[in-house]
Amino acid sequence: AQSVAQPEDQVNVAEGNPLTVKCTYSVSGNPYLFWYVQYPNRGLQFLLKYITGDNLVKGSYGFEAEFNKSQTSFHLKKPSALVSDSALYFCAVRDIRTSGNTPLVFGKGTRLSVIA
Amino acid sequence: EAQVTQNPRYLITVTGKKLTVTCSQNMNHEYMSWYRQDPGLGLRQIYYSMNVEVTDKGDVPEGYKVSRKEKRNFPLILESPSPNQTSLYFCASSSRTGLQETQYFGPGTRLLVL
Repeated sequence: AQSVAQPEDQVNVAEGNPLTVKCTYSVSGNPYLFWYVQYPNRGLQFLLKYITGDNLVKGSYGFEAEFNKSQTSFHLKKPSALVSDSALYFCAVRDIRTSGNTPLVFGKGTRLSVIA
Repeated sequence: EAQVTQNPRYLITVTGKKLTVTCSQNMNHEYMSWYRQDPGLGLRQIYYSMNVEVTDKGDVPEGYKVSRKEKRNFPLILESPSPNQTSLYFCASSSRTGLQETQYFGPGTRLLVL
């Protein structure tokens, strides 16, 4: 069975500093990996995804994520955090070997607070 | 504008009173799905639909029903709501059933069952 772990419930970072939100995954085969962001009282917004190819994926709002197969990780990063980045971040995975229904399996979420 | 809409956005009801949460997408997506979000648990899939008239259970289907009579609509039905169904519900859709497709989410429906 596939699973996602986001080891930090909360990440605090000062505005202008680099940020990292951690994600590790477990799948039987090769993964498709996604990051979503949820702002207060809003739905989930897609940030970026890794399907294949370059391990460094660039997404919306200046975010990027690096796929590391040996460490089964897909950490979300941004070089310089903004206060407006404060939100709840979800990592999600699909196992590409499954067929039929392929639900996204989500982590529990990491709340990012960027302090001015 | 391409979007997934849900109604109502907020709902307070009492135990046992049937309710329906509607979901509609205007992107001609085949795949639609319902999730519930609970603190500390992330999002868990309730039901999904691969296409019209094709639905199946997700990870937490107990107490829920769905239907997919039209491609654009995927209502979630709670025949007899209970307090443990108090949650934040999201509908999602994606084009085709390819694994690499991005799912687009609705704004959410916050349900309180008393």
